[in-house]
Amino acid sequence: AQKVTQAQTEISVVEKEDVTLDCVYETRDTTYYLFWYKQPPSGELVFLIRRNSFDEQNEISGRYSWNFQKSTSSFNFTITASQVVDSAVYFCALRMDSSYKLIFGSGTRLLVRP
Amino acid sequence: DSGVTQTPKHLITATGQRVTLRCSPRSGDLSVYWYQQSLDQGLQFLIHYYNGEERAKGNILERFSAQQFPDLHSELNLSSLELGDSALYFCASSSTGADTGELFFGEGSRLTVL
Repeated sequence: AQKVTQAQTEISVVEKEDVTLDCVYETRDTTYYLFWYKQPPSGELVFLIRRNSFDEQNEISGRYSWNFQKSTSSFNFTITASQVVDSAVYFCALRMDSSYKLIFGSGTRLLVRP
Repeated sequence: DSGVTQTPKHLITATGQRVTLRCSPRSGDLSVYWYQQSLDQGLQFLIHYYNGEERAKGNILERFSAQQFPDLHSELNLSSLELGDSALYFCASSSTGADTGELFFGEGSRLTVL
């Protein structure tokens, strides 16, 4: 069965702290895709990143970085020097090559306090 | 702004009623997906259309139906509404049916059933 687990329900940090959001996935497929989405208080879902299963390179985009490790089935997301505007719910999602649907984790609510 | 437009943004109705949610995908996108976000179920895939044809079904109730029209907009029809149908309904679009890329989500339609 395919599954995405975001064990951290809520994280609270002070502005400028670094924070890592954990994502663990389960699939038996060899080809799959992993995603992170952000849902700010306004409610929309904003795409952040997609990673293919055959590309284990980590990625950095400004203050955001992602660590993909197939050996531990994890796709963790780190925000460096967090800002109040980073406060949102973050979702990790999985899509198998054989399916069109995204399987979302339960989300991690991040609160960045000034 | 993702380019995906959903109407209405908010809807309040009574049990037993029927509502229609509308989605206009990004310009040029042929695929439309519907997702339901509720507190107890999280983000659940409902259905996927590609260029007017149904491609995949998820956890969509028989009381719900959808279609994609020749101009590529889509409608999600919810009938015999129950209290548990209260949720945020998202539409997303992507460029191809064989989707390896990201989904672009609209701002959602928040349905409240009283």
